[in-house]
Amino acid sequence: EAQVTQNPRYLITVTGKKLTVTCSQNMNHEYMSWYRQDPGLGLRQIYYSMNVEVTDKGDVPEGYKVSRKEKRNFPLILESPSPNQTSLYFCASKDRFDGELFFGEGSRLTVL
Amino acid sequence: QQQVKQSPQSLIVQKGGISIINCAYENTAFDYFPWYQQFPGKGPALLIAIRPDVSEKKEGRFTISFNKSAKQFSLHIMDSQPGDSATYFCAADPSNFGNEKLTFGTGTRLTIIP
Repeated sequence: EAQVTQNPRYLITVTGKKLTVTCSQNMNHEYMSWYRQDPGLGLRQIYYSMNVEVTDKGDVPEGYKVSRKEKRNFPLILESPSPNQTSLYFCASKDRFDGELFFGEGSRLTVL
Repeated sequence: QQQVKQSPQSLIVQKGGISIINCAYENTAFDYFPWYQQFPGKGPALLIAIRPDVSEKKEGRFTISFNKSAKQFSLHIMDSQPGDSATYFCAADPSNFGNEKLTFGTGTRLTIIP
C-alpha cells in the first residue's frame, strides 16, 4: 500500500529535550515536505526537499532542522523544543512532475 | 503574511444543499490551485485541482470555479452529504509542476446536517 508513515503519532515532551519525528514514504517520490497545522492558521510549510541531499526552508523554519540522506526518509528534528512548537505536524511527498501531495496521518506534539 | 485568504472559517449546510467555500490570492504567479479535504485524525488528501487556463472544473459533485481577473477561486459541493463533513483547504502554487511552494488557506470546517 502506497503511504507516508510518520512516527510518533503522539508525543508529549518538555522544553529543551531534543526530539525527532520520522517520516518515510514507499512511493519513490523525489519531493518531501513538512507542514505544521495550527487552528486558524491552516497548514504552513516548515522545510521541503526536492531530492536526496537537497533541502530548503519553507515559511516557518525557525527552530527546526531536517535532513535527506535517503530518498524515502525525511526526519524533522527539534533540537530544543519550545511550547510554541506545540502543534500537529504533517509529512508529505509527491512525484517531482505530478501535482498531488500525499500526506501522512500526522504527529501531534505537545511541548510543556 | 497570508497569501491565500479562505472563507468562511466554518460552514453548516443542510443535507442536499450546496456548500460554497471561497478563496482569494494576491500572487499573480500562482498557476496551480488544488483543494484538499481532511477528515478528523487524518492527513489532508487531494480533492480536486485547477489551472488558470480554464474557468471551471467539475468532478462528480465537486466543482472549482476560477476567476483569474478577480484572483478568486471557489469550491462548490452540490447535493452535500453528511460524509462530506470535513475540513477543506484551498491552496496555490507558482511552480510549473505544482506543490513545491504550496501555500494553503486557513481551512474551512464544513458540517452537513441531516
